[in-house]
Amino acid sequence: QSVLTQPPSVSAAPGQKVTISCSGSSSNIGNKYVSWYQQLPGTAPKLLIYENNKRPSGIPDRFSGSKSGTSATLGITGLQTGDEADYYCGTWDTSLYSGVFGGGTKLTVL
Amino acid sequence: QVQLQESGPGLVKPSETLSLTCAVSDYSISSGYYWGWIRQPPGKGLEWVGSIYRSGSTYYNPSLKTRVTVSVDTSKNQFSLRLSSVTAADTAVYYCARDYGDYVFAFDIWGQGTMVTVSS
Repeated sequence: QSVLTQPPSVSAAPGQKVTISCSGSSSNIGNKYVSWYQQLPGTAPKLLIYENNKRPSGIPDRFSGSKSGTSATLGITGLQTGDEADYYCGTWDTSLYSGVFGGGTKLTVL
Repeated sequence: QVQLQESGPGLVKPSETLSLTCAVSDYSISSGYYWGWIRQPPGKGLEWVGSIYRSGSTYYNPSLKTRVTVSVDTSKNQFSLRLSSVTAADTAVYYCARDYGDYVFAFDIWGQGTMVTVSS
């Protein structure tokens, strides 16, 4: 059971927008930065968002991150078939004194 | 561009020690950042294992802390993972990655990953 809770799956049509939630607590998301990763099948994860809403160089602005209280959200607009992947949130937990990841969300672009 | 490459045995016997190395190219570990290990059991999610700073300062996942050692060799520009007393539950793809550190918990550059199977 992950400390951070994500929906197992989400789906949307090409060109549409989708959001993926990540729910935590005051000991993690509530007081620490959140990062988001995309993992295409058979590949290493790729950093999409860090410090809640910052994009590394090369990440298109179709990807956005936000945080409110003890929850964070990844938004993807203009969905493409190439966005089909697993998405993970991550943060630091001050009670566990450990980095933690969500269980992952599988995005299907119908 | 910065690249990370894991290396080590793909098969480890139960109760033995898993040892992996991550070679860093086009960036000097001595320049900064933390350097971490993350693993992913087959068909499952990501689990942070531990990270190290250039100075040798480390922090580990508490669930693995008694078995894990991460070390750095700045002269070879690489860092390593040792996980002792392994069981089948340690079977996973192991990734090394560059860690923003300071509890920001973000990994911006990853190795391709190496599969380690624990079996007799």
